[in-house]
Amino acid sequence: DGGITQSPKYLFRKEGQNVTLSCEQNLNHDAMYWYRQDPGQGLRLIYYSQIVNDFQKGDIAEGYSVSREKKESFPLTVTSAQKNPTAFYLCASSKSGLAGGTQYFGPGTRLTVL
Amino acid sequence: GDSVTQMEGPVTLSEEAFLTINCTYTATGYPSLFWYVQYPGEGLQLLLKATKADDKGSNKGFEATYRKETTSFHLEKGSVQVSDSAVYFCALNRNAGNMLTFGGGTRLMVKP
Repeated sequence: DGGITQSPKYLFRKEGQNVTLSCEQNLNHDAMYWYRQDPGQGLRLIYYSQIVNDFQKGDIAEGYSVSREKKESFPLTVTSAQKNPTAFYLCASSKSGLAGGTQYFGPGTRLTVL
Repeated sequence: GDSVTQMEGPVTLSEEAFLTINCTYTATGYPSLFWYVQYPGEGLQLLLKATKADDKGSNKGFEATYRKETTSFHLEKGSVQVSDSAVYFCALNRNAGNMLTFGGGTRLMVKP
């Protein structure tokens, strides 16, 4: 089955620790995205990548970092510099980075910082 | 900048009632418009889309028409079911690249 997988589904970390969220897709999509969702709110874009070895900051990139070494993978690291990291994180991909393309979402990772 | 505004929820309906969730947008150029649905604890699923003015997107009994003159993309369904209970997000493609701008989401609760 083609799709997007995110792991783990739930993640708990202590304050001050970096944590990396996994996102893998086997859809052969060029573009990948990370969003953050807070309770009762819409999604906000953290980072996106339109092609391997290239990525750009989204609207709320501070305190986060990404890499795109492989087409299939786009891991997100939540660093200790992120002031309020507890949230639901969603990864998405699209066939290309051109406007109008449909984004497909993974099941999400819920991060709780204690 | 681009923005999407949705009616605040929750919207509570009885089964078989008619549903409308309002969505209006502000954008430069001619964005594509989307409705996504999120079931509890899950990611988003694409419900429908429209890529140009007067296009109608439809799926699973849901419909939305791209109205450029009113900058709207209201979601409708003629007869809702309990299984339609979820959060619905309206979104648009930004003019540059394929990034999405989302509305705040509208929670729909359908009672039997």
